[in-house]
Amino acid sequence: DVVMTQSPLSLPVTLGQPASISCRSSQSLVYSDGNTFLNWFQQRPGQSPRRLIYKVSNRDSGVPDRFSGSGSGTDFTLNISRVEADDVGVYFCMQGTHWPWTFGQGTKVEIK
Amino acid sequence: EVQLVESGGGLVQPGESLRLSCAASGLNFSSYWMHWVRQAPGKGLVWVSRINSDGTYINYADSVKGRFTISRDNAKSTLYLQMNSLRAEDTAVYYCCSGGSCFAWGQGTLVTVSS
Repeated sequence: DVVMTQSPLSLPVTLGQPASISCRSSQSLVYSDGNTFLNWFQQRPGQSPRRLIYKVSNRDSGVPDRFSGSGSGTDFTLNISRVEADDVGVYFCMQGTHWPWTFGQGTKVEIK
Repeated sequence: EVQLVESGGGLVQPGESLRLSCAASGLNFSSYWMHWVRQAPGKGLVWVSRINSDGTYINYADSVKGRFTISRDNAKSTLYLQMNSLRAEDTAVYYCCSGGSCFAWGQGTLVTVSS
């Protein structure tokens, strides 16, 4: 199975400051059709996951533009340009290129 | 708005069975892959099973293969997960999600396996 490794696992951030989460895969996530199926999910406390970003850098409808995704191959990043209180929660990367799908361990974002 | 509503969770003893359901609305259910993903208390997300739009293609995680069965009823816009021979390590919140990369999720249903 593809191992997804996130860092850091805990991320205390000051309100209004940027935050960055890294996600690395144990093998390339480029599919045979050229697409890269790397997605990011947010899970607020007590809630179910919500997809933020799909195929590396595409924001889902309703997701604020302060969230952005980038990367290629085996190295990916989720950036939050200015953290707001509403952003507190756990962020997971997930690869959908290789079966079975696998998730990163999660990065807990909290306010300092 | 897409809504996925899971039901059927509960407390069972090891070796017993449960059937989870996921009722979908707000989407053309019969067009989408559907998935079950679980999350043990305080832990991360683990994909359990998937089924294609017409139910002809199915995959399972190794940890549940031979014990769990995924199915769907497109006429009722409902996804199912039949869970047999349950073990303590199956204790988790079970989520259904829709589409090729889970663009929508339900609220989850808690399954607790304990004697």
